Amino acid sequence: DIQMTQSPSTLSASVGDRVTIPCRASHSISRWLAWYQQKPGKAPKLLIYKASSLASGVPSRFSGSGSGTEFTLTISSLHPDDFATYYCQQYNSYSPLTFGQGTKLEIK
Amino acid sequence: QVQLQESGPGLVKPSQTLSLTCTVSGGSISSGTYYWNWIRQPAGKGLEWIGHIYTSGSTNYNPSLKSRVTISVDTSKNQFSLRLTSLTAADTAVYYCARGPGSYYYATDYNYYYMDVWGKGTTVTVSS
Repeated sequence: DIQMTQSPSTLSASVGDRVTIPCRASHSISRWLAWYQQKPGKAPKLLIYKASSLASGVPSRFSGSGSGTEFTLTISSLHPDDFATYYCQQYNSYSPLTFGQGTKLEIK
Repeated sequence: QVQLQESGPGLVKPSQTLSLTCTVSGGSISSGTYYWNWIRQPAGKGLEWIGHIYTSGSTNYNPSLKSRVTISVDTSKNQFSLRLTSLTAADTAVYYCARGPGSYYYATDYNYYYMDVWGKGTTVTVSS
């Protein structure tokens, strides 16, 4: 299995802050990485695919970068609606597809 | 606009079999190159991929669940289904279905996909 590690598990920030959320893969996954946002009681929502491609309808303040084993999700200026949990997911291999354990973005 | 909706029992007894259905609306389940997935999430925990069925009917399962999982498709009803046997309390979770648009890369002879459309999820509790 390819293990996906997200640390920290919780991140505190304020509205207007620039925030970066890291994700590390145990093996190289090229750029086959997606980011999802999940709010309490809701399904995950696709934000970024292929490491840096913005999904349809996602605000441009979200961006992704990285390749190989190190990836980052950046929110350029936090909006109140952005406080949620963020998951990375590798799709280099579906034996099995794996997610990071999530980073919860909290209001400072 | 494709939408997915999970349905099934909310409560199942230990050792029994769970059957969930995902109904696809706004598009045909048999058109295009899509992977149709099941994912679950125990309360307060992360996401676990269960498996997928491809448009062609081929399947792939998480090795941790492979012995207990079957995913099938009913094109006449535009649905795909999950069957999970020998349930224990550890199977208590919110179960999601999701669509994955396949993207074939000749260089690696592999179809890559992320999950772009998700159902709202259905809560399953395993308890006597």
